[in-house]
Amino acid sequence: KQEVTQIPAALSVPEGENLVLNCSFTDSAIYNLQWFRQDPGKGLTSLLLIQSSQREQTSGRLNASLDKSSGRSTLYIAASQPGDSATYLCAVPSNNQGGKLIFGQGTELSVKP
Amino acid sequence: GAVVSQHPSRVICKSGTSVKIECRSLDFQATTMFWYRQFPKQSLMLMATSNEGSKATYEQGVEKDKFLINHASLTLSTLTVTSAHPEDSSFYICSARDPGQGNTGELFFGEGSRLTVL
Repeated sequence: KQEVTQIPAALSVPEGENLVLNCSFTDSAIYNLQWFRQDPGKGLTSLLLIQSSQREQTSGRLNASLDKSSGRSTLYIAASQPGDSATYLCAVPSNNQGGKLIFGQGTELSVKP
Repeated sequence: GAVVSQHPSRVICKSGTSVKIECRSLDFQATTMFWYRQFPKQSLMLMATSNEGSKATYEQGVEKDKFLINHASLTLSTLTVTSAHPEDSSFYICSARDPGQGNTGELFFGEGSRLTVL
């Protein structure tokens, strides 16, 4: 049974700092891994999708890496801003149909001005 | 990216009443949509898969008679919480994938619907 874990559960950093969020999964036979952002009381915004054949994906100040063999992914946020404050979730599909995602518990990020 | 929209964003109802939540794909046709549920401070759990033109597939432990799903068209799926009780209070989020991306493409989520049952 696939399990997804995110560390840390919460993180508070000063504005401008570079930071790394961690995601680990127990079954390395994944098809892809997706990172999401969730603001309080809101739905999920897709940030990055990494296919199993890829090592990393970049979008603006965000960079996500994937190491299937070790069951890990990281989300790197450069030059953090107060607007980055949110909960960040990683998720992997439970099968090749892709619709059932197994989510981590999330990392709640607070960027202080 | 693709857009998935939900309505209403918030609903408060009395115990025993039924509540309908709509999920629409705005710029693509989705033969399959997915309904998730999120309790406070917890992550999302898949409730059911909504299939256009056929019955929904429910996850283990989810009551199909309590959570009625109808996928009436390629752009609309509805979740009806029947005879709602306070324990049904939760955040319900739908998602869909642009079929052009294949089964392992990006999943897009709606804005979520906060249900409060008094």
